[in-house]
Amino acid sequence: RKEVEQDPGPFNVPEGATVAFNCTYSNSASQSFFWYRQDCRKEPKLLMSVYSSGNEDGRFTAQLNRASQYISLLIRDSKLSDSATYLCVVPYSGGGADGLTFGKGTHLIIQP
Amino acid sequence: EAGVAQSPRYKIIEKRQSVAFWCNPISGHATLYWYQQILGQGPKLLIQFQNNGVVDDSQLPKDRFSAERLKGVDSTLKIQPAKLEDSAVYLCASSLDRDAEAFFGQGTRLTVV
Repeated sequence: RKEVEQDPGPFNVPEGATVAFNCTYSNSASQSFFWYRQDCRKEPKLLMSVYSSGNEDGRFTAQLNRASQYISLLIRDSKLSDSATYLCVVPYSGGGADGLTFGKGTHLIIQP
Repeated sequence: EAGVAQSPRYKIIEKRQSVAFWCNPISGHATLYWYQQILGQGPKLLIQFQNNGVVDDSQLPKDRFSAERLKGVDSTLKIQPAKLEDSAVYLCASSLDRDAEAFFGQGTRLTVV
C-alpha cells in the first residue's frame, strides 16, 4: 500500500537555526519526489522537486536516499516566515494505482 | 499564467443534502486530481484523471461521491448525500502529466451541519 510517513512535530525552532526533517516512503519505484509548503488555511504550494540525489534552492536543501527510502528537507538560517506545514509528496505509479500521495505533514514553528 | 480555479470557495450545507464543486485546471495540464483535506491532516487523494479518463479512484467513497471530467478540461466533484464527516477542504490540482509536480487551486471549504 502507498505510504508516506512524516514526523508531525511540531518542531519549535529559534530564528536563525537549522532544522531538518525526514520523510519515508514505501514505493521503491518512485523516481520523483516533492516537498510542498502549506500555510494555515491555504492550499499547498510546491517548494522543491527532487529527481536525483538531491536539490538545493537558497536556504533549502532536499536530499534523497533511495537505499533507505527517505527524503529529507533541510532549512538553514530559518526565518519567521518559514513557519508552516511541510508536506512530503511521493508519486505512486503503476498497476492503475497512480497518484501523488501526501504525507500528513510536519508542522514547523520558528520562534523569535 | 492562470492558476487552477475552483468554486465555490465556501459552502455550508445540511447533512443529507447534495453539493457540487467545480475545478478548471491550468491550460494544457493532462492530469487532474481531487483531494480531501481534513483539518490537521495531509491531503488525501480522492480521484485522479488523465485527460478525461479515471486513473485512480480507489479512495473515493463511490456510494456518495462522484466526479467527472467530460471534455478532459474542467471537472466537477459531487457529494450526494453529504455526511457530517465530509466537512473538509476539497482541493483540486493539475499537472502536466503523471508524476509531475501538481499545482493546487485555493480549495472549497465544505461544512456539513
